[in-house]
Amino acid sequence: SQWGEENLQALSIQEGEDVTMNCSYKTYTTVVHWYRQDSGRGPALIILIRSNEREKRSGRLRATLDTSSQSSSLSITAAQCEDTAVYFCATDRTGGYKVVFGSGTRLLVSP
Amino acid sequence: ETAVFQTPNYHVTQVGNEVSFNCKQTLGHDTMYWYKQDSKKLLKIMFSYNNKQLIVNETVPRRFSPQSSDKAHLNLRIKSVEPEDSAVYLCASRDRGDEQYFGPGTRLTVL
Repeated sequence: SQWGEENLQALSIQEGEDVTMNCSYKTYTTVVHWYRQDSGRGPALIILIRSNEREKRSGRLRATLDTSSQSSSLSITAAQCEDTAVYFCATDRTGGYKVVFGSGTRLLVSP
Repeated sequence: ETAVFQTPNYHVTQVGNEVSFNCKQTLGHDTMYWYKQDSKKLLKIMFSYNNKQLIVNETVPRRFSPQSSDKAHLNLRIKSVEPEDSAVYLCASRDRGDEQYFGPGTRLTVL
């Protein structure tokens, strides 16, 4: 699980496996962002889930949000080598002016 | 397709020097940000601007000063750099749907 000043988490899986990354946050948020960052590039948004949503899907990605436990998860179904990246969750309650990023999960998918 | 441009890509300098980084977005967004990403991949917001106005100024040393000439440009100047300023500086802009678009970053190394 990622947050705040904690160290970058690492996950290593085989191609074709499913994987879930968890994120717990400390303060109220109106939205949870999930970003992926490839080596040498800036983060890119992959899923955004709002506080009135419990689940959101995009292709092989599925995000969940539980506001009561202040946690979110990102699942990737049938991971592929190109899913190798660092994944961040981020929260915001300021209307977009101060987005706070978690510490990230480095996912390595091997063939 | 890149729509947030940052220059330079890399910069190596000595302690005490002044550096400036440039950021331009061609997306027509009103809100722009500077983030600092350290060697552990931790991403922390430094400043956010909305339509040239400073909105968020996190606890950042006074040697850092953002500058915005118009809503498409947000630059960052660091007076008298210190070794702990070595990091990747990421610029981003945000659309009205809360999605942030990041540039590729400027890697600063302070010797």
